[in-house]
Formats: sequence, C-alpha cells, structure tokens
Amino acid sequence: KQEVTQIPAALSVPEGENLVLNCSFTDSAIYNLQWFRQDPGKGLTSLLLIQSSQREQTSGRLNASLDKSSGRSTLYIAASQPGDSATYLCAAWGNFNKFYFGSGTKLNVKP
Amino acid sequence: DGGITQSPKYLFRKEGQNVTLSCEQNLNHDAMYWYRQDPGQGLRLIYYSQIVNDFQKGDIAEGYSVSREKKESFPLTVTSAQKNPTAFYLCASSSRQEVNQPQHFGDGTRLSIL
Repeated sequence: KQEVTQIPAALSVPEGENLVLNCSFTDSAIYNLQWFRQDPGKGLTSLLLIQSSQREQTSGRLNASLDKSSGRSTLYIAASQPGDSATYLCAAWGNFNKFYFGSGTKLNVKP
Repeated sequence: DGGITQSPKYLFRKEGQNVTLSCEQNLNHDAMYWYRQDPGQGLRLIYYSQIVNDFQKGDIAEGYSVSREKKESFPLTVTSAQKNPTAFYLCASSSRQEVNQPQHFGDGTRLSIL
C-alpha cells in the first residue's frame, strides 16, 4: 500500500528565507504528484502538479521537483512571505485511480 | 465563478441521527470525491464517483452513503452507524478520474457531535 510522508510536521522561518518542504512515498509506481495549500478551516488549493514523466514544475516563487526512483518530491519556496503561512500537503496519484495524501507540513513565516 | 460549493460550513449531529452534507460543482466535471480529514492527518477517501448514477467505495466507506443523481451534485450522508463522525469533510472534483487531472476542492464542512 502506498504511504506518503511529509517531514517536518511544522516549520517556522523568518520572512525572506528560502525553504524546502519534503514529501516521500513508498511506491515509486505513481502517475503524478500534486502539491496543495490549505489555509485554516478551508479546502485545498492546487499549487503544482508534476506528471511522472516530468522532473519539476514551476509557478512564480514555487518550484516542485519529483524523483520517482528515490520516492521523493520537494516543494521549494523562494523568498518566503507571511502570506505563505499555511499547511502544505502533497498527494501521489497511484494505483486504483486515487490520491494518497501526506499529513502535511504546517508552515509559519514570521514577519 | 466556477467552483465547488459545500454546505453547511458547520454541522452538528445528535446521537442516532443521519446527516447529509451537500456538494455542488459548476465545473462540468465528471468525477467527484469525498474525503475525511482528521487533525494532523492526511485526507482519506470515503467515496468517489466517475459518472452519474455510479459510485465506488473508498478506503473508509463504512458508516457513510452517497448518491450521484446529477452531474453537478454528490451529497454525502453520515449515518448513525458512523461512530466517530467528528471531522472535517472535503468534497473534490476533477474533469475525469484519470491521471494528470488536477483535483479541485470545496471549502469543507466541519461536523461535530452534540
């Protein structure tokens, strides 16, 4: 069974710092990996989707990479801002046509 | 604006009561999903539907039921058989239940026991 792990569970950084969020998955037979942002009490907002044939995707200050062979994905946030404070979840689309979600990394960017 | 609307935002259930959570989308998506989120945990799939009048159980379907009579609507009923219903419930949709189709989410319904 696919298991998705996100470490650390929480992260606090000063404004302006570049940071990396980690996502690992146990079964490398995934079709894509999606990164989401979740604000408190809200649903999920899709940030980036990396197809299995791709190595990375970029959107503004966000860059997500995927290494299927090692079972890892990273989300890089450049020049972090207080508005980036949220929980970030990754999800791997695998067998049985469904997503397997990690439990998220709660990010706090201090002004 | 196109999107997914979940209602109500907050819901309280009495013991032995069934409650229904609403999910409506105007994105013309074929596939719809219900997830449950508990504090500090990832999302777990309850039910999903690829097309009208068809739905499949996810990982934690016991104590829940769904219907898909219209493309736009995928209501979830939390029955009295669900002994631990307190959680945040999220509805999602995608254009098809296939790879590389991003999922779009509603703002969720928080269910609590009275």
